[in-house]
Amino acid sequence: GENVEQHPSTLSVQEGDSAVIKCTYSDSASNYFPWYKQELGKGPQLIIDIRSNVGEKKDQRIAVTLNKTAKHFSLHITETQPEDSAVYFCAASSNTDKLIFGTGTRLQVFP
Amino acid sequence: DAMVIQNPRYQVTQFGKPVTLSCSQTLNHNVMYWYQQKSSQAPKLLFHYYDKDFNNEADTPDNFQSRRPNTSFCFLDIRSPGLGDAAMYLCATSWGAGQVRGEQFFGPGTRLTVL
Repeated sequence: GENVEQHPSTLSVQEGDSAVIKCTYSDSASNYFPWYKQELGKGPQLIIDIRSNVGEKKDQRIAVTLNKTAKHFSLHITETQPEDSAVYFCAASSNTDKLIFGTGTRLQVFP
Repeated sequence: DAMVIQNPRYQVTQFGKPVTLSCSQTLNHNVMYWYQQKSSQAPKLLFHYYDKDFNNEADTPDNFQSRRPNTSFCFLDIRSPGLGDAAMYLCATSWGAGQVRGEQFFGPGTRLTVL
């Protein structure tokens, strides 16, 4: 079945630096790729998503890129701030109502 | 402003004592989901409703049941909670069709403790 791999599992950066999280999916029919941010004790929050008809999408300091040929997509956070510290999950979906989640990346931004 | 609401936020129950968690939404989405999330893991889908159609995941234990009496509300019933059922339970909603299909919005979760 569909599988989504996510790397790295932990990421520590200095405030102001960039952070990149990468995901690879197995189902070539996947066409929707959201990213969620989950703070401690809270539910996941959708921060950005991309559909397979575009290669890149940007929203202020965050951007997502998609390479359909290689079946991978990445989250880029620039000018990181301490409040960006959280667990980030990627996910993939293929015209269904279900999301396949990656295993998560714990991002720590040090002041 | 709340869109997906879960009650209670924290629930403590005893081993084997039935418990019900509730979820409501103001988005009028036709799909509602229940996930179980254990520490440091991704959310695990238990089941979802597409309108009134119930879709169970193959590996969801029989101990977990769900009800959706109307568009806005969905309940998770755990008939006989075991220690292994202690987790965060997340409710999510989405549109099941159209250009925004797949976008899931999560509630804040209910943290279940089993004593």
